[in-house]
Parts: sequence; structure tokens; C-alpha cells
Amino acid sequence: GAVVSQHPSWVICKSGTSVKIECRSLDFQATTMFWYRQFPKQSLMLMATSNEGSKATYEQGVEKDKFLINHASLTLSTLTVTSAHPEDSSFYICSARQDQPQHFGDGTRLSIL
Amino acid sequence: GDSVTQMEGPVTLSEEAFLTINCTYTATGYPSLFWYVQYPGEGLQLLLKATKADDKGSNKGFEATYRKETTSFHLEKGSVQVSDSAVYFCALKLNNQGGKLIFGQGTELSVKP
Repeated sequence: GAVVSQHPSWVICKSGTSVKIECRSLDFQATTMFWYRQFPKQSLMLMATSNEGSKATYEQGVEKDKFLINHASLTLSTLTVTSAHPEDSSFYICSARQDQPQHFGDGTRLSIL
Repeated sequence: GDSVTQMEGPVTLSEEAFLTINCTYTATGYPSLFWYVQYPGEGLQLLLKATKADDKGSNKGFEATYRKETTSFHLEKGSVQVSDSAVYFCALKLNNQGGKLIFGQGTELSVKP
């Protein structure tokens, strides 16, 4: 079946650094990719929707300059958390779809010290 | 606005017990409904779905029926196993929103041997 790979799976870094998370669709071309954030024992909150070759659409309350999303090809989208701070620590999950349904990556646990 | 509400967890059951996780939704259109499962430290996996009223989704012994009259999509399984321990998310997708999913808060299931 369809596979979505997310990398890295875990990252720990110092406050103030920028972190890039990759989301790849391995065996299909993803016209749309989604980025979610999940706090412990809570639901997934959609951060943004990205379509290949165009700017991402951010949900209300999500800072565009803080969470940079690039969807440069039909198989790769990246999320960069710029100047990360401890409050950005969370579990970030991407999903990708060609038609239906969405296929999810295994998530990236980001810890900012 | 559109939303999904699930019964609160955690739900703790003994092996072979009957499982019900309630899910109700509010939507302005005619959504598709989904159940996703998340194992510890992993992303989400699609468990089952239903795209119109009275449809029944089923997979791995789990079932859910799309009830338009009660705006519900309750998840059931006749006999749970320890390996079913996970967090279960109910979600809806409006067909005119580019594939955007709206998730419930998740229900943690713990099955004891």
C-alpha cells in the first residue's frame, strides 16, 4: 500500500535553532500534503495544507513565518520550524494524498531544550 | 462550525470484551466519516470509513455505521485483543474542502489480558 515517510522521527535541539522535517510519499505522487501538530494526549490540529508548486494554506492562528512549508515536488514537502523555542515542542505529523484517502507519516517528535 | 466529538477515555477493557467508542459530528454539508488508529509513537492508520448515510465501514473486526439521523459514527468490535490497545480518532471530511480532515479528540483504549 501507499507509504509516507517522515524524517527525522525524533529531534532534540537547542532553543533558537531551526529544524526541518521532511515528508515523502514513496510510491505515489502526492498532489496535496497536510501538516498536523499533536500535543500529548490530544487530537491532531491541522496546521497547513500544501499543494505542489504553490504556497501553503495555513490554518487560523498558525504563524506562516514560524512554520515554513515547501512543497517543491509531487513526492516531497518540508516543514521548517524557524527559531524554535520550548513551546514548539510537539509531535508533528504529515499526511499525503493523491486522490483518497490521506496516508499518514509516522510523525516527528520535536523537543526544544 | 464543523466538529467531531468522541467519548472521553481512557477506556479499559479485558480481552474478548465488547467495545463501543462513541462519535458524533456536526457538519454543514454531507461529510465522509473515518476512524483512524494511532499506536504509541506512530502516525495514524486508516481503520475504516463510510462515505454516505447508512454505509457501514468494517476492517479487522471493527465496524461503524454512518447514521445521518443521529449524526453518529460509533466504533464497535465484538471481541477486543490486547493488540487493539491504541488511541482511536474519529474524523470527518467535507467534500468541498480539498481533503481537509477534522479530528475528534481521540479515545485511548487499553485492553488487559
